[in-house]
Amino acid sequence: EGQLLESGGGLVQPGGSLRLSCAASGFAFVNDGMSWVRQSPGRGLEWISFISGRGDRTHYADSVNGRFTISKDNFKYTVDLQMSGLRADDTAVYYCAKTYDYVSGGYSDIWGQGTLVTVSS
Amino acid sequence: DIVMTQSPATLSVSPGETVTLSCRTSQSIGSDVAWYKQKPGQAPRLLIYAASSRVMGIPARFSGSGSASDFTLTITSLQSEDYAVYFCQQYNRWPLTFGGGTKVEIK
Repeated sequence: EGQLLESGGGLVQPGGSLRLSCAASGFAFVNDGMSWVRQSPGRGLEWISFISGRGDRTHYADSVNGRFTISKDNFKYTVDLQMSGLRADDTAVYYCAKTYDYVSGGYSDIWGQGTLVTVSS
Repeated sequence: DIVMTQSPATLSVSPGETVTLSCRTSQSIGSDVAWYKQKPGQAPRLLIYAASSRVMGIPARFSGSGSASDFTLTITSLQSEDYAVYFCQQYNRWPLTFGGGTKVEIK
């Protein structure tokens, strides 16, 4: 059974940067799309980014576009989220999730346990 | 963006009862809906995709239905482990969007 393990969360000051990483195991990964989804008490579940299996297509939510960058390493079986220009409303638990890659999106059948990002001075 | 509206926000239900959760979308999305269950401190878990296809290993008491802009998740004979928050998600077009969730609590 596939597993995902996020790391890299923590406390960061407003305007700062943070890099999250997600290590995958137990599934093919190379052909699988991956997403980052976050959850905060005030905003529920929010999808923020997707990358295709080969890494040649990416999508971002407007709320993070231009500030966050998703990347995928099919040799290391990892997917990263580089976050910059962090704001207080980026505070959330961040999940990575294996996401089926259809033309217009997909659903996620494997989720990590999440990593908490807190943006505060 | 496609807005997902779930109702009710909270359902108080006794064990053994049947519950029906609603998810409505701001645009027609065919059958491109998934349902997830989330318990406190845990990640969401996929239950249903393509509106009505149950994930392997999910009990048959969970069923999904609907199309276009009106979707339903039904849980029959509610068990103790079913008390959780349930989310719908559309994948018809980017950005992917989730509903606000329905909390199923013990009555």
